[in-house]
Amino acid sequence: NAGVTQTPKFQVLKTGQSMTLQCAQDMNHEYMSWYRQDPGMGLRLIHYSVGAGITDQGEVPNGYNVSRSTTEDFPLRLLSAAPSQTSVYFCASSYSTSGHEETQYFGPGTRLLVL
Amino acid sequence: ILNVEQSPQSLHVQEGDSTNFTCSFPSSNFYALHWYRWETAKSPEALFVMTLNGDEKKKGRISATLNTKEGYSYLYIKGSQPEDSATYLCALNTGANSKLTFGKGITLSVRP
Repeated sequence: NAGVTQTPKFQVLKTGQSMTLQCAQDMNHEYMSWYRQDPGMGLRLIHYSVGAGITDQGEVPNGYNVSRSTTEDFPLRLLSAAPSQTSVYFCASSYSTSGHEETQYFGPGTRLLVL
Repeated sequence: ILNVEQSPQSLHVQEGDSTNFTCSFPSSNFYALHWYRWETAKSPEALFVMTLNGDEKKKGRISATLNTKEGYSYLYIKGSQPEDSATYLCALNTGANSKLTFGKGITLSVRP
């Protein structure tokens, strides 16, 4: 298993550009989520999904869209990039949404710089 | 927004020292408490998931305890080694669709 994969690893955008951060997992996990990591802020939840076709907002959803058309993929879209979205983005997944002991597995991260 | 607090923010210890960290969280709506270890330039990796009051879990030199009534968990590292240098995150699950609320992390640096 490849686990949780993310592409690209690094991206530079200009303000106003759009892009999609890709996340995929091959573990048949129900739950997938996106976090951003900023200095001094820890990991903050952007959006999450409890299964194909179901998404919901996390703590900091503004400026981001998600969709979950398949179990495997959970892309994160920046519609109009802003410098405040400069961050490191992590995708994570876990097997079940009902098992509270389920560990979340993290991808390697995408480092985004918005100029 | 849940308030998950970790202290201290950073810690510098000598090789061989034992150390401990605190994670505080609201005791209402508790479902599970997760500990993660996060090395620089890598992804967070799970250490423990704790669910019951009084739980104590151990993995090698690292152990954790949980008090859900008063809302805290301790992480202990016995005989710290340079390879223990990392950021240690705790995260609270209140049961709502597996969402985790993370603390800001504690950065440990172990000097040889």
